Order: sequence, then C-alpha cells, then structure tokens
Amino acid sequence: DTEVTQTPKHLVMGMTNKKSLKCEQHMGHRAMYWYKQKAKKPPELMFVYSYEKLSINESVPSRFSPECPNSSLLNLHLHALQPEDSALYLCASSQGEGTPYEQYFGPGTRLTVT
Amino acid sequence: AQKVTQAQTEISVVEKEDVTLDCVYETRDTTYYLFWYKQPPSGELVFLIRRNSFDEQNEISGRYSWNFQKSTSSFNFTITASQVVDSAVYFCALREFNKFYFGSGTKLNVKP
Repeated sequence: DTEVTQTPKHLVMGMTNKKSLKCEQHMGHRAMYWYKQKAKKPPELMFVYSYEKLSINESVPSRFSPECPNSSLLNLHLHALQPEDSALYLCASSQGEGTPYEQYFGPGTRLTVT
Repeated sequence: AQKVTQAQTEISVVEKEDVTLDCVYETRDTTYYLFWYKQPPSGELVFLIRRNSFDEQNEISGRYSWNFQKSTSSFNFTITASQVVDSAVYFCALREFNKFYFGSGTKLNVKP
C-alpha cells in the first residue's frame, strides 16, 4: 500500500481564520514532507520531518506551523494567511530522510485564501 | 543554478505518436538519484521511476522507457504509442541526500 491521504481536499479560508491540513501514511515511512505548489510550477519544499522531529524548515513564514504528532501523521496549522498563500499543498513521505527512496505524495489540499 | 532542467514547457502530440521528454541535471555528488513523476489534472504526483547514479541501464516498463546517460547528465523519458490518458505534467527530479530538486515540468497534451 503506497497511499498517502490528505484532508480536506479543498479549503477556503479568510485571512483571519485558523485551519489545519492533515496528512496520514501507513507505510512505516520515517520521513514526511510538506510542499507548496503554485499553478504551473513545480512543488516547493516547505518542511521535512524525520523520525517525528523537524529536520528542515525552508524559511517558511511563521503563519505556517507544522506538527508531527506521531510517525504516521503530519499536520500543517494555518493562521493569518495571505491571498498569495493560495496554492496546492502536498504532503509526501519516504522511508527515510537520507535514503535514496522515492517520495510518495498525497492528492493535496487546494487552499484558497480570501 | 538550476539543478534540473526540463527545457520543454509543453508538448502536444496526436494519440499513438511516440514522445520523448527531456531532463538534464547538474550535481557534484557521485551518489545521487533521479526520478520521474506524473501529475495529472487531479493534482496528485505519481511516482514513475527511480534510477541511481551507479546504474546506467535503460529501463522499459510497458509503453514507458527511460534513457539515463551520465556522460551528458541526461535522464530522458519516452512514451511509446501515446494515449490520451498520458496527458499530464511530468516532472523530473534529482535527490541529493535529503533534498529533492524538481525540474519545472513538461506539460504533455495527447490529442485523440
């Protein structure tokens, strides 16, 4: 089973709202990732968690707050977002952070900030 | 400098034509990994293939084939007898340790 699930599929939020994106994998992977993808662009790495610890933060604004409650779950808490934050947010997982293995991606959450 | 270059922004072909998507990468590492992903309009990135830097054998999987040439730092992807369902954006990616570098993607349109 190579499935990564993400909820919700679509999210519309105002600039003063607080919301969370959720990601789950049951492949026993120890590395999980958040990417942001704007239209017609490749995914941009935001955060990497390795063994439930934050390993990489690609200078992401603090209005995005990641959380890894356990090895299967990854959350992205959103607060006071800007309209330019509207994008497809993709979660991915891989066997390990420094391993050669591929990342498996979820279907993404399409976020619209109004 | 861009680590992965996909010079073809968009390609349109008619069904049953063969099509090759180009990928050129740049790295100083001796150990690295190359990938191809497919992103249909639904948005999910689908893993297609991984190739490590020590394995230059070409690979064929059904209608898909990949040509890895270290001498030219290229990892090209060919779809034989294309089908409408192949329409998608295809990304080439390079992995160095814990980071993935994606190319800008090639949008493939296969017309009936």
